Amino acid sequence: QLQLQESGPGLVKPSETLSLTCTVSGGSISRSNYYWGWIRQPPGKGLEWIGSIYYSGSTYYNPSLKSRVTISVDTAKNQFSLSLRSVTAADTAVYYCVRVMYPTGLFYFDCWGQGTLVTVSS
Amino acid sequence: EIVMTQSPATLSVSPGERATLSCRASQSVNYNLAWYQQKPGQAPSLVIYGASTRATGIPARFSGSGFGTDFTLTISSLQSEDFAVYYCQQYNDWPPVTFGPGTTVDIK
Repeated sequence: QLQLQESGPGLVKPSETLSLTCTVSGGSISRSNYYWGWIRQPPGKGLEWIGSIYYSGSTYYNPSLKSRVTISVDTAKNQFSLSLRSVTAADTAVYYCVRVMYPTGLFYFDCWGQGTLVTVSS
Repeated sequence: EIVMTQSPATLSVSPGERATLSCRASQSVNYNLAWYQQKPGQAPSLVIYGASTRATGIPARFSGSGFGTDFTLTISSLQSEDFAVYYCQQYNDWPPVTFGPGTTVDIK
């Protein structure tokens, strides 16, 4: 059974970089037809897609965050990572890693990690 | 960017009753729409994709319909485990994929 697990600091200072890693177990990150990605949810609010990556390194980003985001993949470790630069309090959210169904250009999220709360505060 | 709206914001339903949730896109998304369920303190989970196809393990009481800009998620007979927040998401025109603001289904 596929499982995704987020890890990383729960507290980040303003202007610094938020870094999270997602470890995939129960399946290979290098499997075709799947992207992998990040979605966030501010406390009490809705969902925002951040970006996604294929095992080859091909990426898509939300234009609203693109200037601050980098998503990378490590196929040897079966992991992918999120880096969000110059954070502010508005970046405080639960961050989910997800598997993205991507056959023929479709793009929905069929497996989610449990999420990790990241608070931006000094 | 396609803007998704959902109505109502909150739906109060008695167990055993039918719930009908609506989702509207600012422009056509064809059949490229998914629904997710989020219970308190949990991650969302996929319920419907392709506007009407149930995800693996989703019971038949969940059904999706619609095309273009107007979509509906129907829960035919609400069970206690169905009380949650439901989000729709379009993946026709991306990036970015976009989500609706959610509908909370609570106990009447």
